[in-house]
Amino acid sequence: QVQLQQSGPGLVKPSETLSLTCTVSGGSIDTYYWNWIRQPPGKGLEWIGYIYSSGSTSYNSSLRSRITISLDTSENQFSLTLTSVTAADAAVYYCARSRTSRNDGFDIWDQGTMVTVSS
Amino acid sequence: SYELTQSPSVSVALGQTAKITCGGKNIEIKSVHWYQQKPGQAPVLVIYRDGSRPSGIPERFSGSNSGNTATLTISRAQAGDEADYYCQVWDSSTGVFGTGTKVTVL
Repeated sequence: QVQLQQSGPGLVKPSETLSLTCTVSGGSIDTYYWNWIRQPPGKGLEWIGYIYSSGSTSYNSSLRSRITISLDTSENQFSLTLTSVTAADAAVYYCARSRTSRNDGFDIWDQGTMVTVSS
Repeated sequence: SYELTQSPSVSVALGQTAKITCGGKNIEIKSVHWYQQKPGQAPVLVIYRDGSRPSGIPERFSGSNSGNTATLTISRAQAGDEADYYCQVWDSSTGVFGTGTKVTVL
């Protein structure tokens, strides 16, 4: 059974870079889309972007200038980098899997990581 | 950019039927997915491709999609169904979530 496990700091200083990694266990990273999604406290879900197993990416246009999603197939991991963070980036960050980027939902999620932005 | 609109809240009596709507322009041409999120937990996919249920999701959950509105129906509502529900679609390889609906079971 495929599981996702996220790692990374829960506290980031304003203007610095947030880096999170999601490790895929119990299955291959191949032929799936690997997504990042976030949820500010008390608010709704926001899709951040994905990376496909081939390495192609798609990003939320509102965040595109600040985000990079990368893939390490040898480690079965994918990562999110968000630069120049502000208080508005404080949220629970989730990694999630989808089979396609057209007709399928996010069928597997990790438990989420709360990221606080504070000096 | 594509937008999905949901009512902020829906109340349903125990054992009755709740309908949660998701509005979007010509949403019927898209595949709609629905998530249940309980406090402090990650979302769970309860309906995908408009009306399909993942393994382990009760038959009480069903979905439909027509015109400009997709609907998640919860039949015979139980106390454990109380949660936030989000719809989601893909628009030009971009993920889009609805605004979310809080379902209260009375």
